[in-house]
Amino acid sequence: AQSVTQLGSHVSVSEGALVLLRCNYSSSVPPYLFWYVQYPNQGLQLLLKYTSAATLVKGINGFEAEFKKSETSFHLTKPSAHMSDAAEYFCAVSEGYQKVTFGIGTKLQVIP
Amino acid sequence: GAGVSQSPSNKVTEKGKDVELRCDPISGHTALYWYRQSLGQGLEFLIYFQGNSAPDKSGLPSDRFSAERTGGSVSTLTIQRTQQEDSAVYLCASSLSEGDTDTQYFGPGTRLTVL
Repeated sequence: AQSVTQLGSHVSVSEGALVLLRCNYSSSVPPYLFWYVQYPNQGLQLLLKYTSAATLVKGINGFEAEFKKSETSFHLTKPSAHMSDAAEYFCAVSEGYQKVTFGIGTKLQVIP
Repeated sequence: GAGVSQSPSNKVTEKGKDVELRCDPISGHTALYWYRQSLGQGLEFLIYFQGNSAPDKSGLPSDRFSAERTGGSVSTLTIQRTQQEDSAVYLCASSLSEGDTDTQYFGPGTRLTVL
């Protein structure tokens, strides 16, 4: 069965600092992996997805994530945080067949 | 439409009442999903439609929950005899269903409060 663990339900960074949101997955087959962002009072928006092509995936708004099979990780990073990055971020895994399992989310706070 | 829409945006109901939540997917999207987002619980998968059929209903929490989709478009999630633990944001998503890596596009959700 597929599952996702997001380490840290709340993360705070200073504006301009590195953003690192951690995600570890469990899957019985090569997975597809996603990061979604949810801004306050809005629906989820896809940031990026890994589909077994390049292990380093670049997404929107300067975010990227690296698939590391040996560590079963798919951490999300951004070199320099912006105030507008404050949101909740969800990591998700799929083994195909349309069923996606989401993590519990990480709320990112950006401090001026 | 431009995106997935859901109605109502907010619903307050009394315990024991039935509620219907509506989802209008992106035009042309054949796959439709319902999730529940509870405080501190992340997103919980409820049900998935491919066209009008639901191959995966495994996430429905009880027989008080049901969903249907007509015309391969609009979907309705019905909760009968609502309980306080049903209070959550109910999210709908749709996708083109072109393959396993299909991107799901989410609506803004319906916030359900059961008093």
